[in-house]
Amino acid sequence: AQSVTQLDSQVPVFEEAPVELRCNYSSSVSVYLFWYVQYPNQGLQLLLKYLSGSTLVKGINGFEAEFNKSQTSFHLRKPSVHISDTAEYFCAVSETGGFKTIFGAGTRLFVKA
Amino acid sequence: DADVTQTPRNRITKTGKRIMLECSQTKGHDRMYWYRQDPGLGLRLIYYSFDVKDINKGEISDGYSVSRQAQAKFSLSLESAIPNQTALYFCATSRGQGWNEQFFGPGTRLTVL
Repeated sequence: AQSVTQLDSQVPVFEEAPVELRCNYSSSVSVYLFWYVQYPNQGLQLLLKYLSGSTLVKGINGFEAEFNKSQTSFHLRKPSVHISDTAEYFCAVSETGGFKTIFGAGTRLFVKA
Repeated sequence: DADVTQTPRNRITKTGKRIMLECSQTKGHDRMYWYRQDPGLGLRLIYYSFDVKDINKGEISDGYSVSRQAQAKFSLSLESAIPNQTALYFCATSRGQGWNEQFFGPGTRLTVL
């Protein structure tokens, strides 16, 4: 069965600094990988996803993530964050041919002025 | 108008009461899901449905039941609410196949006293 580990529960960062949110997964088969963002008092929305092909995936709001099969990781990065990026970020994995998506515990990003 | 709606948005109830949370979608998706979100635990799947006649238990279905009244409607019931069911509940939808993103409703905050 697949599992997802988000290595940091909270990440504080100053505005305009770079940020990396870490995600590792475990699965015995090929997977699809996702990052979702949850702004305060809202549901989750998709930031980006990896299905196949290029290991560097670009998403909305300047975020990107890199799939590393050997390290079973899918870390999310942004070169310069804004106050408006303050939110909770969830990594998720879905096995190819599977029926469910498993979500990580979430990483709360705090962007400080 | 929102594509995935949930009612009510907030509910406070007492131990032992029966509660129904409702979800409607206008996206035309065949798959619908119910999750609960708890701090530090991320999203955990309660039930999922791939069509009106197909309903499946998720990882934490005990104490919950669901009904798929139509392709667009999926309700979650707590037969006899208990305090540890206090959480944020999300409905989500997706097209068939695991590589498709899920679209989330705004959530229902349930408090069981």
